[in-house]
Amino acid sequence: AQTVTQSQPEMSVQEAETVTLSCTYDTSENNYYLFWYKQPPSRQMILVIRQEAYKQQNATENRFSVNFQKAAKSFSLKISDSQLGDTAMYFCASDFNAGGTSYGKLTFGQGTILTVHP
Amino acid sequence: SAVISQKPSRDICQRGTSLTIQCQVDSQVTMMFWYRQQPGQSLTLIATANQGSEATYESGFVIDKFPISRPNLTFSTLTVSNMSPEDSSIYLCSVLTGTGRPEQYFGPGTRLTVT
Repeated sequence: AQTVTQSQPEMSVQEAETVTLSCTYDTSENNYYLFWYKQPPSRQMILVIRQEAYKQQNATENRFSVNFQKAAKSFSLKISDSQLGDTAMYFCASDFNAGGTSYGKLTFGQGTILTVHP
Repeated sequence: SAVISQKPSRDICQRGTSLTIQCQVDSQVTMMFWYRQQPGQSLTLIATANQGSEATYESGFVIDKFPISRPNLTFSTLTVSNMSPEDSSIYLCSVLTGTGRPEQYFGPGTRLTVT
């Protein structure tokens, strides 16, 4: 079975500090997409960052970056200069059916609640 | 990008009844999906809504319980039938847009409580 696992139910960080959220996955596929989504209390799912498995370079989006370790099947999210607005549930997800492109059928991890303290 | 709206945003229903949730996108999209998020849980894919044909359901979800329609490229409905308290969840519509490097967007969700 193809799975996504987030082992940190909750994390907290002080404003302006850096925090890393962990994610591991299991698949026999070679081409797939990995994502981090943010879900604030408003419930709106927001795409934070995406990584194509065939790319060796780690994706970055402003304060957000990933550490993608394909052999270890690990995909962690680093948030630098944390802001109060980063407080949310963060989901790691994968489109294991990608075969080179994303088809939208996502498998989600259990989520990590991140709280940023002032 | 795509802007997705869902109606209703929330509802409280009695067991045994049915509720139809609407999903409207501001542009034509190829792929539309319905996800369920049970209280405190992650998201699980219910089905892919296919335009002009029957939806494709994931394991554990059946058409009799979750009938889906998709009459065109911008609109879909999900019905939760014969509801029980276990159906209390957030139901989210999702779309995949673009070619080459598709982007996936989610609607704001419908919070359903079954009493």
